[in-house]
Amino acid sequence: GAGVSQSPSNKVTEKGKDVELRCDPISGHTALYWYRQSLGQGLEFLIYFQGNSAPDKSGLPSDRFSAERTGGSVSTLTIQRTQQEDSAVYLCASSPSGQNYGYTFGSGTRLTVV
Amino acid sequence: AQSVTQPDIHITVSEGASLELRCNYSYGATPYLFWYVQSPGQGLQLLLKYFSGDTLVQGIKGFEAEFKRSQSSFNLRKPSVHWSDAAEYFCAVLLYGGATNKLIFGTGTLLAVQP
Repeated sequence: GAGVSQSPSNKVTEKGKDVELRCDPISGHTALYWYRQSLGQGLEFLIYFQGNSAPDKSGLPSDRFSAERTGGSVSTLTIQRTQQEDSAVYLCASSPSGQNYGYTFGSGTRLTVV
Repeated sequence: AQSVTQPDIHITVSEGASLELRCNYSYGATPYLFWYVQSPGQGLQLLLKYFSGDTLVQGIKGFEAEFKRSQSSFNLRKPSVHWSDAAEYFCAVLLYGGATNKLIFGTGTLLAVQP
């Protein structure tokens, strides 16, 4: 597609439930990133994919968080046993390989844990 | 450690006035620097980027930024602000090498534009 697509745009879930957030990057972009944006924490890096592998997952806050990418394209961020502190906007971005490019961000998924 | 500081949390300017948003970075090597803008409920849009060469870079929407290595700064400027420029602005440095490739963001500056 023309841009980075994320779904759902909004998600309300009960504490303790699992959620899956989806990201469709720009076609041909080999690098994919997940960030979290919350009040008081700003923009936090979660994980970086190059192709289907994740060489840097240092930003995942706990083992309740996991992500995968299949076919070098779509990525899913999964949060197990959600907690209220997981409430945030989760942003996905993609870029061509290499450093000489900025990232293109999606509009994000707003997650609310009640 | 690599970091980005945006000293101004909130700035208000009058429409038509000039604008400068400050950004200071801490990075050991040659920095790759970016400015992004975020409108309410939207993702981040790339305004401009600096990799090397000319230290004054031009971006979209009439924005420019100047890289000053001696001051570790990458300030964003616009000669005449429009009401549609009201948004949050983020400066970022790219941390790369080895297994990593990630943007480190500042905390953002919220710009309000008065009529």
